[in-house]
Amino acid sequence: EAQVTQNPRYLITVTGKKLTVTCSQNMNHEYMSWYRQDPGLGLRQIYYSMNVEVTDKGDVPEGYKVSRKEKRNFPLILESPSPNQTSLYFCASSTSSGSSYNEQFFGPGTRLTVL
Amino acid sequence: AQSVTQLDSQVPVFEEAPVELRCNYSSSVSVYLFWYVQYPNQGLQLLLKYLSGSTLVKGINGFEAEFNKSQTSFHLRKPSVHISDTAEYFCAATYGNKLVFGAGTILRVKS
Repeated sequence: EAQVTQNPRYLITVTGKKLTVTCSQNMNHEYMSWYRQDPGLGLRQIYYSMNVEVTDKGDVPEGYKVSRKEKRNFPLILESPSPNQTSLYFCASSTSSGSSYNEQFFGPGTRLTVL
Repeated sequence: AQSVTQLDSQVPVFEEAPVELRCNYSSSVSVYLFWYVQYPNQGLQLLLKYLSGSTLVKGINGFEAEFNKSQTSFHLRKPSVHISDTAEYFCAATYGNKLVFGAGTILRVKS
């Protein structure tokens, strides 16, 4: 089944404790992206990747890191989480790195709480 | 600035009534437009998209949207809603390599 998977689905952590949220897709998509969803703000893009070893900042990159060593995986790293990073996170992927009109397929989301 | 505005945060409607969810986007040389739906505790699913051509776009579950370039709008409509349409709906537009979302509209269908 074609899908985007995220792990963990739920995470409660404390301020300053490094964490990684994994994202994997099995559709051979070049483009991958991370979003955070907050009430009243919709989804905001954190980082995106056009292809392996190519990443770029979205609208809200502060406090996050990403890497794209393999085509299928795009982990999101919070080196020192803070309470304002409590949010619902979505990973997405789509075909064609250079085209912006392709549908993005979303993972099920990761709900992160930072105490 | 690149932005997408959804004019209503919540829209209550009775079952079998028509509904329109409004979306305006900031103008760009070329923009592609999308509507996504998010059911409770789920990810986002594409309803429909406008790339070019006919300004009336039909999507899944009986939804349609009309692209209006002069008004920079992409409103979503359904002639008769069901209880199962209760969800949050997001309008989105691509600007370059970025997909910019609106704040979302919660559609509440009442019986």
